[in-house]
Amino acid sequence: DTGVSQNPRHKITKRGQNVTFRCDPISEHNRLYWYRQTLGQGPEFLTYFQNEAQLEKSRLLSDRFSAERPKGSFSTLEIQRTEQGDSAMYLCASSLEMANTEAFFGQGTRLTVV
Amino acid sequence: AQSVTQLGSHVSVSEGALVLLRCNYSSSVPPYLFWYVQYPNQGLQLLLKYTTGATLVKGINGFEAEFKKSETSFHLTKPSAHMSDAAEYFCVQDTGRRALTFGSGTRLQVQP
Repeated sequence: DTGVSQNPRHKITKRGQNVTFRCDPISEHNRLYWYRQTLGQGPEFLTYFQNEAQLEKSRLLSDRFSAERPKGSFSTLEIQRTEQGDSAMYLCASSLEMANTEAFFGQGTRLTVV
Repeated sequence: AQSVTQLGSHVSVSEGALVLLRCNYSSSVPPYLFWYVQYPNQGLQLLLKYTTGATLVKGINGFEAEFKKSETSFHLTKPSAHMSDAAEYFCVQDTGRRALTFGSGTRLQVQP
């Protein structure tokens, strides 16, 4: 297993377009997280899944954002009608179910909305 | 509300000097605490973690951190800085009730 994989690594899109990112977690990990990181800030929690169930969504997550993890394996994060303020690094992480275990992060997808 | 505060967004030390990065947590329940490091153009990786037991925890690359409940702190230290330590460091808490909460990060610069 090569760790958490995110695709694409970079995405440039025009304002108003929809974009979709994919995350492939470490295979035996039940938990999957999405975070957003802007320049000079720490990652902000967006949402997380335990297996296929989306257990929590941040209030930061507007209705233009949707995430799925259909079979409890890979996950997708879609942003509809992108805005310039959506430009950020989108990070995915996965972990085992227990709270005190390490979360492994992917290298992220950098979104630029022009 | 649960939050993590990192004092100092930028810290600069000389090579060979002590590194001290400060972190205070705020949690209504005893948290699990982590330090993650992010090197330029790389993903976040775990430096060390505190769960239960010994309050002084050692991590990779000579870093260590001490959990002090009375001060709600989890400061990160390294006796002697190396040029390769230059990176961004994040203090993180996990209360088990929601996903990880990150501090805003501290960028460490190491001067030759």
